[in-house]
Amino acid sequence: DTAVSQTPKYLVTQMGNDKSIKCEQNLGHDTMYWYKQDSKKFLKIMFSYNNKELIINETVPNRFSPKSPDKAHLNLHINSLELGDSAVYFCASSPQLAAYNEQFFGPGTRLTVL
Amino acid sequence: GENVEQHPSTLSVQEGDSAVIKCTYSDSASNYFPWYKQELGKRPQLIIDIRSNVGEKKDQRIAVTLNKTAKHFSLHITETQPEDSAVYFCAAKLSGGADGLTFGKGTHLIIQP
Repeated sequence: DTAVSQTPKYLVTQMGNDKSIKCEQNLGHDTMYWYKQDSKKFLKIMFSYNNKELIINETVPNRFSPKSPDKAHLNLHINSLELGDSAVYFCASSPQLAAYNEQFFGPGTRLTVL
Repeated sequence: GENVEQHPSTLSVQEGDSAVIKCTYSDSASNYFPWYKQELGKRPQLIIDIRSNVGEKKDQRIAVTLNKTAKHFSLHITETQPEDSAVYFCAAKLSGGADGLTFGKGTHLIIQP
C-alpha cells in the first residue's frame, strides 16, 4: 500500500555511465516531482510534471531527463554520470498543481558515482 | 525565484523544553508554507502546514506562526520528546503552483535526555 515508491533504493555506478531511477505513485495525483538532496541535506527541486507535461526545469543539466509514460509514473534518466551527481534523489507527488497541496515523498534513491 | 532562509542550522534542547525554528522567504507571492520532518535515512514527512490567509495553526505539541508582512514563519514544538530529534525543513510555494517547494537548509534538532 506504499503511496510513492522508488526503485532502486541504492545505486552505485561508475562515472560516465547512464542510469535510471523509477518512481510510481498510487494516489491518483496529477503532479509529480523530482528533488535532489545533497550531502549537506539541502533539498532542491529538479522537475515538476503535471498530467505528463514538464512544468519546470530548475537549472538542471540536460544530462537529466524526466520521462513520464503515464500520470502515475515519473522516471529520471541520467546520462554521463559525474561525481557531483552523487546524492539522494526523492520523487514526490501532490494532488494538483495548486499551491496548497501536500507533497508526498518517496523513500529516496541514494546514488553514488565512483 | 523564491529563496528561503532557515535558522538555526542546529538546535539542542533539553527534553521537555520548547524548540523554535525560524524561516524567512523572499517572494511575497508565496502562499503555502509546509514544515517537513526528516529522520535519518528516511523520507521527508509533512508535520504541519499553513496557508497565507492564516496567522497561526496548532496541532497538539506543534504550532506554526506566519507573519506575511515580515515574510517570516516559525515552527514551535512544546514539551519536546526524544522522538522529536530529526532534521526539520521549512518550505514555501508560490501561488501559481507551477514551481515545486523551495526548502530552507534544514535544522538539526537534538533533544537532550
